[in-house]
Amino acid sequence: LAKTTQPISMDSYEGQEVNITCSHNNIATNDYITWYQQFPSQGPRFIIQGYKTKVTNEVASLFIPADRKSSTLSLPRVSLSDTAVYYCLVGGRYSSASKIIFGSGTRLSIRP
Amino acid sequence: NAGVTQTPKFRVLKTGQSMTLLCAQDMNHEYMYWYRQDPGMGLRLIHYSVGEGTTAKGEVPDGYNVSRLKKQNFLLGLESAAPSQTSVYFCASSPLGLTDTQYFGPGTRLTVL
Repeated sequence: LAKTTQPISMDSYEGQEVNITCSHNNIATNDYITWYQQFPSQGPRFIIQGYKTKVTNEVASLFIPADRKSSTLSLPRVSLSDTAVYYCLVGGRYSSASKIIFGSGTRLSIRP
Repeated sequence: NAGVTQTPKFRVLKTGQSMTLLCAQDMNHEYMYWYRQDPGMGLRLIHYSVGEGTTAKGEVPDGYNVSRLKKQNFLLGLESAAPSQTSVYFCASSPLGLTDTQYFGPGTRLTVL
């Protein structure tokens, strides 16, 4: 089971770079790492997905070391609107659904 | 495109009553999912479907049934509601596998008294 561990909460200030780390020691060879963002009273929204090294899109970057036992979501220059819960998921495309677990996520609070 | 829609948005039931939650997607996705989210918790997968006419159990399937008679619709049924089923229910869909980008609906807030 590809269990993930994230910090329960983090605080930062507008304009700062925020890095949220997810630990996934039991990641399998075929597993991908996916991050979602959830605002209050809304469904989660896909942010970024990666397999190894670094992935960047218009919203965030994802850093994955060579051993793939952890990953770091990087949010550049955060704003108040980045206050949300962030979930790290690990699983392969053909994994059993029981292996896709959202966990409790990281509650990120951004202050002015 | 409307994406993923859920009906109803809110519902209050009495213990023992039954109801059906409807999820619809207009993206022609193969996979559809039903999750529940309790206060302060992450999402837990109830049931999912890998295509029209198929369903499978997720992490917490007990007390729920599902059907996928049409590709665009995924129904979640509660035959005899219990207070423990008070939660926010999210439907999602994805094009292919479970780790493809999942597109979520706005949620249904269900209270069972």
